[in-house]
Amino acid sequence: AQTVTQSQPEMSVQEAETVTLSCTYDTSENNYYLFWYKQPPSRQMILVIRQEAYKQQNATENRFSVNFQKAAKSFSLKISDSQLGDTAMYFCALENTDKLIFGTGTRLQVFP
Amino acid sequence: EPEVTQTPSHQVTQMGQEVILRCVPISNHLYFYWYRQILGQKVEFLVSFYNNEISEKSEIFDDQFSVERPDGSNFTLKIRSTKLEDSAMYFCASSGFRLHSPLHFGNGTRLTVT
Repeated sequence: AQTVTQSQPEMSVQEAETVTLSCTYDTSENNYYLFWYKQPPSRQMILVIRQEAYKQQNATENRFSVNFQKAAKSFSLKISDSQLGDTAMYFCALENTDKLIFGTGTRLQVFP
Repeated sequence: EPEVTQTPSHQVTQMGQEVILRCVPISNHLYFYWYRQILGQKVEFLVSFYNNEISEKSEIFDDQFSVERPDGSNFTLKIRSTKLEDSAMYFCASSGFRLHSPLHFGNGTRLTVT
């Protein structure tokens, strides 16, 4: 079975600091995609970043980057220079055929 | 930027009643999805839809659920006889491609079954 685990229900960080959100997963597939989605209080799920398992290079999108460790099945999200607008639920997701399997989420609070 | 829109934002219904949740996907997208999120729990896949038929459905998506794309624009989720445990946020999503393409989600419909 394919699973996604986020072991940090809540995290907090001060504005301008760096925070890392953890995610581990399990799959028997060799090539797959991993995603981080953000869900702010407005409720809409927004794609933050994605990583193809076939690529060794870690994906980056501006202040967001991942640490993808394929052998360890780990896919953490690093947010640099945190901003108040980063306050949201963050979901890690694994693509399985044409659907996503989500983790339980990490609630991130950015403090001034 | 095009958006997925969902209506209503909040629906309250009595147990046993039928509800229809509506979604307007991004116009040039071909793949459509429903996910739900019970309060405080993970987001769960319900169903995917392509070319006017269901591509895949989860165990949650039983005979009480159905989906339809009635007019080439709207994408609906119907729950025939709601149960208390159907109370959740329901998210519609669309995508231009089947695999590896980011999903564009709507703001969700909060369904409360009393």
